[in-house]
Amino acid sequence: EDQVTQSPEALRLQEGESSSLNCSYTVSGLRGLFWYRQDPGKGPEFLFTLYSAGEEKEKERLKATLTKKESFLHITAPKPEDSATYLCAVAVDYGQNFVFGPGTRLSVLP
Amino acid sequence: GAVVSQHPSRVICKSGTSVKIECRSLDFQATTMFWYRQFPKKSLMLMATSNEGSKATYEQGVEKDKFLINHASLTLSTLTVTSAHPEDSSFYICSARTTNQPQHFGDGTRLSIL
Repeated sequence: EDQVTQSPEALRLQEGESSSLNCSYTVSGLRGLFWYRQDPGKGPEFLFTLYSAGEEKEKERLKATLTKKESFLHITAPKPEDSATYLCAVAVDYGQNFVFGPGTRLSVLP
Repeated sequence: GAVVSQHPSRVICKSGTSVKIECRSLDFQATTMFWYRQFPKKSLMLMATSNEGSKATYEQGVEKDKFLINHASLTLSTLTVTSAHPEDSSFYICSARTTNQPQHFGDGTRLSIL
């Protein structure tokens, strides 16, 4: 069975305190790993797609990396506006059917 | 960037009524649209996948007669919750994608059945 897990479940950081979120997956065939950000009461907002081990993508304070079994979302010097739930999703076929992880709720305190 | 519009954002209605939710891709033609349901502090659960002009593919455990999906054009899909009951109350989110592009999500519909 395809599974995606994320850790930690929740994370509280002080502004400027860098950290990493983890997404681990067990799937029959990886067709892409996707990171999204979701604010309360909103739909997920696309951040990154990674396709192969060793790949890295960056956007402002965020950097996503991928290995054969997991992905990390590194947050450098976070700001309060980075507070959100970060969702990881794995595409298990070319139709891009997703298996979502449970998410990590990030709170960045001023 | 790609924009997906979902309407309405919030619905409150009586038990037994049917509710229609629209999902539109505003600046691209979507080859596939997806419907998800999300419970509080939980992740998204895929309900069904639809391609324009063909019948939706429902996930196991999702009642197709309860959740009617119509994908009439490359920019519009609708989800109708028929004879809604309190247990159908939830946050429903659609997404749309085209070839070689990731899914882009709408802002969701908060459905409350009294």
